[in-house]
Amino acid sequence: EAGVTQSPTHLIKTRGQQATLRCSPISGHTSVYWYQQALGLGLQFLLWYDEGEERNRGNFPPRFSGRQFPNYSSELNVNALELEDSALYLCASSGGGQSSTDTQYFGPGTRLTVL
Amino acid sequence: GEDVEQSLFLSVREGDSSVINCTYTDSSSTYLYWYKQEPGAGLQLLTYIFSNMDMKQDQRLTVLLNKKDKHLSLRIADTQTGDSAIYFCAETKASQGNLIFGKGTKLSVKP
Repeated sequence: EAGVTQSPTHLIKTRGQQATLRCSPISGHTSVYWYQQALGLGLQFLLWYDEGEERNRGNFPPRFSGRQFPNYSSELNVNALELEDSALYLCASSGGGQSSTDTQYFGPGTRLTVL
Repeated sequence: GEDVEQSLFLSVREGDSSVINCTYTDSSSTYLYWYKQEPGAGLQLLTYIFSNMDMKQDQRLTVLLNKKDKHLSLRIADTQTGDSAIYFCAETKASQGNLIFGKGTKLSVKP
């Protein structure tokens, strides 16, 4: 069974541009989570989607946004990129539910570099 | 303060046991997890424990939970060089869904 997949593996952008990162969850999972792993800042929660709805959001500015599609895949959009947005962006999926304590399985990540 | 705290580094010799410690602050946490991250890779789930359990064993891995002290530990028996990685402790709360991670413990295994 395929795990969580993410694309692209690497993404290089310049300041002010927009980045779009994609995630496909494990088959049968309805919840998708996005995390940022920046150097020195650890793993920080960005967004949680379940059944197409945003369920929770971390302490990030509105230029970080996303959506979940009917097939449960998800996109993370980062507008007006800043140098400090350079990080590994990890997507995870779980079985879902509005109050999800299901185990989260992670993808390999997208390395975003902002020049 | 931090929700989840871990020591940053641990160095052991191959064949020894490794013990990685973690403290958390929220007694309402429902599940506690251990993830492993190798260089340049995503997070691999190692094991988890429900908050009403004291111990869980899974092959070379033993998780101990002390709810009174909010202390979680991961013991790796017979540590191998392939166990060298960063280990993250994480907690989750049912209402929020997201994981809250410690900063990770870098385990170095010397031959």
